[in-house]
Amino acid sequence: AQRVTQPEKLLSVFKGAPVELKCNYSYSGSPELFWYVQYSRQRLQLLLRHISRESIKGFTADLNKGETSFHLKKPFAQEEDSAMYYCALSVRRNTDKLIFGTGTRLQVFP
Amino acid sequence: GAGVSQSPSNKVTEKGKDVELRCDPISGHTALYWYRQSLGQGLEFLIYFQGNSAPDKSGLPSDRFSAERTGGSVSTLTIQRTQQEDSAVYLCASSLNYGGRNTGELFFGEGSRLTVL
Repeated sequence: AQRVTQPEKLLSVFKGAPVELKCNYSYSGSPELFWYVQYSRQRLQLLLRHISRESIKGFTADLNKGETSFHLKKPFAQEEDSAMYYCALSVRRNTDKLIFGTGTRLQVFP
Repeated sequence: GAGVSQSPSNKVTEKGKDVELRCDPISGHTALYWYRQSLGQGLEFLIYFQGNSAPDKSGLPSDRFSAERTGGSVSTLTIQRTQQEDSAVYLCASSLNYGGRNTGELFFGEGSRLTVL
């Protein structure tokens, strides 16, 4: 079965501290993974995708097929990073949908 | 408008009544998705449209839920005989399609918050 697991509901750090939001997936096909972010009073939006291998707003995420993980990292958190973060898996077999995890709320304190 | 538009933004209804939620996707986006967002549950997939057809409706919780899309554009999610557990934010998203595959970048609306009393 396809599944995305985000084990932490809430992650609290101080400004300048490193951040790692965990995401693990279960999928028998070739995985395509994404991170979406929802800032307060804004729409859910794409943050980054693994195939792009890019850094967005200082965030990076590496797909580790051996550990079936796609953790989101940032070396120095900023207050404006406070938001809800969702990891998502694209399922293409017989469908074309994204499955989302339950989300992790990141709080960055000054 | 430039983005995905949903209406109503808020709906309060009594248990047992029917509700209709509307989604107007970005022009040219052939794929349209409905998700339900509940506290602690993340985003729960409901149904996916490609054009006017729904190849995957596996997430609809019960036969009280149905959705349609017309003209490859506007979609309506209907919940019949609402129950209190239907209370949630219903999100619509649309996506481009290249070569028969969606890009994976979903553009979300602001959602319709449904409260069933």
